[in-house]
Amino acid sequence: DTEVTQTPKHLVMGMTNKKSLKCEQHMGHRAMYWYKQKAKKPPELMFVYSYEKLSINESVPSRFSPECPNSSLLNLHLHALQPEDSALYLCASSQPRAGQGSYNSPLHFGNGTRLTVT
Amino acid sequence: SQKIEQNSEALNIQEGKTATLTCNYTNYSPAYLQWYRQDPGRGPVFLLLIRENEKEKRKERLKVTFDTTLKQSLFHITASQPADSATYLCALEGIFTGRRALTFGSGTRLQVQP
Repeated sequence: DTEVTQTPKHLVMGMTNKKSLKCEQHMGHRAMYWYKQKAKKPPELMFVYSYEKLSINESVPSRFSPECPNSSLLNLHLHALQPEDSALYLCASSQPRAGQGSYNSPLHFGNGTRLTVT
Repeated sequence: SQKIEQNSEALNIQEGKTATLTCNYTNYSPAYLQWYRQDPGRGPVFLLLIRENEKEKRKERLKVTFDTTLKQSLFHITASQPADSATYLCALEGIFTGRRALTFGSGTRLQVQP
C-alpha cells in the first residue's frame, strides 16, 4: 500500500455531473501534484501545489479545478467533463526544493482514481 | 522540442537473466534522472535517482547508468524474477510555465518468463 491515499478508486460520471477526487498524505510533504495518465501513455503533469499555493497549472482546461485545503489534502473538482477526459488520475507528493521553483524530488504516488466519463 | 524515448516494444527475458532498459532524451539538460516502476492499475513507484555527476548507481539488484554526453540512461535488473515484470518509466526535469517538474518517458514493459 502507498502512503498517498486517493479516493474514490473508480468513478463513472456523466458529462453534466460535478464530482471531486480526493488525495491525502501524512508524510509531511509540502508539494502535491495531479498527473493524468491515459492507457499505455506516460503520466502527464496537470497541477503542482507548493506550500498549499498553486505553483504550476499546465494549461489544464477550466473544467478541472484543483484545491489544496491544507498541507495533507489535495482535491480535484470535476465539472462538465468530456469522454476524452477518461483516464487514470494520479496524485503524488514530494518535498519541494524550497526557493528554487523546482519540483523534481522523487515522487510518492497514490494508486489513482480510474475515471470514466460517459 | 524536448523528448524522452524509451523502447515501446515489450522486453521479454528469461528468469535469472539481466534485463537492460534504455532511456534516451533530447533537448534536456537534466541535473538528474529518475526511474520508476509501474504495475497495471497502480501508481508509479520510485526506484532510483542518479545525478549528472554520477556515472552509476546501484540498489540491490538494480543498477542505473547516466551518460550526459550520449544523453542516455541504462537501467539494469540482474538475476531477474517474474515479480520484476512491470512497466519501467524514466523521468527528467522538464520546464513547465517557468518552473521545473518531472516529465516521464512512455515506459518499457518488462516481462520475465519463469
